[in-house]
Amino acid sequence: DVKVTQSSRYLVKRTGEKVFLECVQDMDHENMFWYRQDPGLGLRLIYFSYDVKMKEKGDIPEGYSVSREKKERFSLILESASTNQTSMYLCASSLRASGRRVTQYFGPGTRLLVL
Amino acid sequence: AQKVTQAQTEISVVEKEDVTLDCVYETRDTTYYLFWYKQPPSGELVFLIRRNSFDEQNEISGRYSWNFQKSTSSFNFTITASQVVDSAVYFCALSVAGNTGKLIFGQGTTLQVKP
Repeated sequence: DVKVTQSSRYLVKRTGEKVFLECVQDMDHENMFWYRQDPGLGLRLIYFSYDVKMKEKGDIPEGYSVSREKKERFSLILESASTNQTSMYLCASSLRASGRRVTQYFGPGTRLLVL
Repeated sequence: AQKVTQAQTEISVVEKEDVTLDCVYETRDTTYYLFWYKQPPSGELVFLIRRNSFDEQNEISGRYSWNFQKSTSSFNFTITASQVVDSAVYFCALSVAGNTGKLIFGQGTTLQVKP
């Protein structure tokens, strides 16, 4: 079974804090993704990575950065948290081969509240 | 541009009723993949099905069935004899061109099955 884990299920931070969300997958997947989920908007892609140290911006990268130093780990960083970043954050991973047809597997999500 | 629309925001049914969740997509690609995911209250997105654009055969898996019609750009999901455990948010998604397998998600449909 594919296993994607996220470091925290719930997180409360203050405005201006630097926030790290960690994601680890155990299936040797090349691709990893960070989404945020907001009511009425579905899931929106923040960043993705297709290899170690490689990253690409998604649809809403502003205010976020990412790090992928090891294949199994993909970190999302909020450099200076703001209240509009209060959201549910979901990490996913997938194989690379023939990208369009591969299935993404998701972690349990982190609910972040920025006060 | 690629887009997925789930027009039904919320659906409420009584247990044992059949229910259909609608999904309409837009893409100019001739090769694409469509997905359905289930998100129970725990938060993790669970993969349900993947279909490619060349296979319009309907699929049935237990109480779940999917109807893919390219002529109307729809990929609808039916639950037969719904159960309380089917209560969740359901997302339809489209895989865009390229090797990264990025997904475009619909807004999600919240299904409540009452006993």
